[in-house]
Amino acid sequence: IAGITQAPTSQILAAGRRMTLRCTQDMRHNAMYWYRQDLGLGLRLIHYSNTAGTTGKGEVPDGYSVSRANTDDFPLTLASAVPSQTSVYFCASKAQPYMNTEAFFGQGTRLTVV
Amino acid sequence: DQQVKQNSPSLSVQEGRISILNCDYTNSMFDYFLWYKKYPAEGPTFLISISSIKDKNEDGRFTVFLNKSAKHLSLHIVPSQPGDSAVYFCAATPQGGSEKLVFGKGTKLTVNP
Repeated sequence: IAGITQAPTSQILAAGRRMTLRCTQDMRHNAMYWYRQDLGLGLRLIHYSNTAGTTGKGEVPDGYSVSRANTDDFPLTLASAVPSQTSVYFCASKAQPYMNTEAFFGQGTRLTVV
Repeated sequence: DQQVKQNSPSLSVQEGRISILNCDYTNSMFDYFLWYKKYPAEGPTFLISISSIKDKNEDGRFTVFLNKSAKHLSLHIVPSQPGDSAVYFCAATPQGGSEKLVFGKGTKLTVNP
């Protein structure tokens, strides 16, 4: 089934550790996004990529990095996790970045930093 | 500053009645609006959208209304069903599309049997 796959589904991480959240899509979408969802704050954009080889910062990029080596994969890395990064992380994709179409979301990764 | 506002954190309605979820925005550059539905432990799923050149878009039981002068949109669900119980997010994007889809905080809808 075509779509977006995120891994892991959930993770408990010690503060200070490095962690990479994986995201893969098989829809050949050019644009990909990482959001975090926190209670009472909705979804906030962390980083985005309009096409393979390019990335950009969203609303809350600090403490996170991304790469886009190919069309399908868009990993999100926390270099040194802190408790405030406890959240649910969603990866999303859209066929083209500058078109009025919907974005498709993965099932999410629940990350707890202790 | 919240550019997309959903001022009702929760809404409860009876099965078969109408659910009306509201959303306000402040950025006049927004011209494409979307509603997403989210069940617990799942990712948001696209529900319906509307472009600023329209004031209404309908898809089955779901209708979105846009009032540009008031910078307000609403999602109507009629008749409401228990399976509609979820968190609904309003989202907006500026003219010409954008990498930045801005979300509201969401409204939790509960449809009681």
